[in-house]
Amino acid sequence: DGGITQSPKYLFRKEGQNVTLSCEQNLNHDAMYWYRQDPGQGLRLIYYSQIVNDFQKGDIAEGYSVSREKKESFPLTVTSAQKNPTAFYLCASSTAGILTGELFFGEGSRLTVL
Amino acid sequence: AQSVAQPEDQVNVAEGNPLTVKCTYSVSGNPYLFWYVQYPNRGLQFLLKYITGDNLVKGSYGFEAEFNKSQTSFHLKKPSALVSDSALYFCAVRDMTEGFKTIFGAGTRLFVKA
Repeated sequence: DGGITQSPKYLFRKEGQNVTLSCEQNLNHDAMYWYRQDPGQGLRLIYYSQIVNDFQKGDIAEGYSVSREKKESFPLTVTSAQKNPTAFYLCASSTAGILTGELFFGEGSRLTVL
Repeated sequence: AQSVAQPEDQVNVAEGNPLTVKCTYSVSGNPYLFWYVQYPNRGLQFLLKYITGDNLVKGSYGFEAEFNKSQTSFHLKKPSALVSDSALYFCAVRDMTEGFKTIFGAGTRLFVKA
C-alpha cells in the first residue's frame, strides 16, 4: 500500500544528543514536510522540500536539520541546539506545484528528552 | 499573511445531534481550505477541501463543510454525530505566497457523548 512511514514511533534522548527521525514515502510525491505538534499549539512547520536536493526552513527551523537526497526520503535531525525537543513530530507529503493537493501524513514520532 | 483561526478549543455534543466545528480564515487571493482529523497518537487524516465551486463540500465519514466568502468561514459539519467522531480537528489553508506551505489552526477537540 502507498503511504508514509515514520520511524521510530517512540524515541528517548538524553540531553546533548542528536537524534534522527526517519520519513519514507512511496507515493511518488515531490514535496515533503516536517511538522512539530505540541499540546494546544496545533502544527508548526519545521522544514519543507519541494524537490530533491532542495529544502527550505519553516517557521521553527532552529535546532533542526534535514536532507533530501532521494525523492522518497526526508529525514529530520533534532540537534542538541534544540532547547525544547520533547514533542510529537509529523512528516507529510503532497504533490508539489499544485495548490489544491492535500497532505498525506505519517503516523508520527514521539520524542522525549530525559 | 495567510492564517486560520479555530475559536473553540473544545466542542461537546450528544450522539445523534448535529455538530459544527468552526473555522475562519484570512488569505490574500482565492482560499484553498482543508479539514483534517487526528485520533490519539496518530497522524492527521484528510477529510475534505474547498478549492472552487459549490460552497457545500462533502467529505469522508459523512462530514461536510460550508464555505462562506463574506464571513471568511469554513465550518465543518455533520448532521448526526457518532461517539467515534471524537477526535482533534484541524482547519488549514494553503499558503499561496510561499512554497505551497499549509498553515494549520490550533485544533478543536470534539467530544461526542453517548
